[in-house]
Amino acid sequence: GNSVTQMEGPVTLSEEAFLTINCTYTATGYPSLFWYVQYPGEGLQLLLKATKADDKGSNKGFEATYRKETTSFHLEKGSVQVSDSAVYFCAHMNTGFQKLVFGTGTRLLVSP
Amino acid sequence: DAGVIQSPRHEVTEMGQEVTLRCKPISGHNSLFWYRQTMMRGLELLIYFNNNVPIDDSGMPEDRFSAKMPNASFSTLKIQPSEPRDSAVYFCASSLQRGEDTQYFGPGTRLTVL
Repeated sequence: GNSVTQMEGPVTLSEEAFLTINCTYTATGYPSLFWYVQYPGEGLQLLLKATKADDKGSNKGFEATYRKETTSFHLEKGSVQVSDSAVYFCAHMNTGFQKLVFGTGTRLLVSP
Repeated sequence: DAGVIQSPRHEVTEMGQEVTLRCKPISGHNSLFWYRQTMMRGLELLIYFNNNVPIDDSGMPEDRFSAKMPNASFSTLKIQPSEPRDSAVYFCASSLQRGEDTQYFGPGTRLTVL
């Protein structure tokens, strides 16, 4: 079936450290892939997305590349800030459908 | 521009009571989604509408849950009777049109059923 698997959190980093949050998916066809971010007390916000293989989504210094061969969409940032502390959700949506399938979320904690 | 608006932001009620959650999607958006977030089950899609018509309600947990969208600018999610296991954060999201894949989320309603 369709699913998304993310690394368990929390991920604890110091400011300016390199971030990787792993995400793999199972889906039929060629889904669109997403990273959403949820700040404390708020709803989810789209961080970045990619709609086809080898596409790279990027926003606010975050990047993720659609890897069809490994069915992965890992989130990376070269230098995290305290303000990046949040929960990050990987998700996919099959082409022609509207249902987002979310991973369980990964909490990121960045200390000064 | 106003985003998705949800009310109330917090709701505390007693078991057996009726609960109504409200959502106003972004103006001009034609698709609306209701999600539930819990620690145990993560984010689950409950139901979604296109042009005010329910398309998929397979995620609605049981008959105690119902959702309506009487017009393009308003939707409700009702739980009757409520139970403690319904305690969760309920999110509403909207997207521009069928096939448009970016969904915009509201701030959520935190429901506590005692």
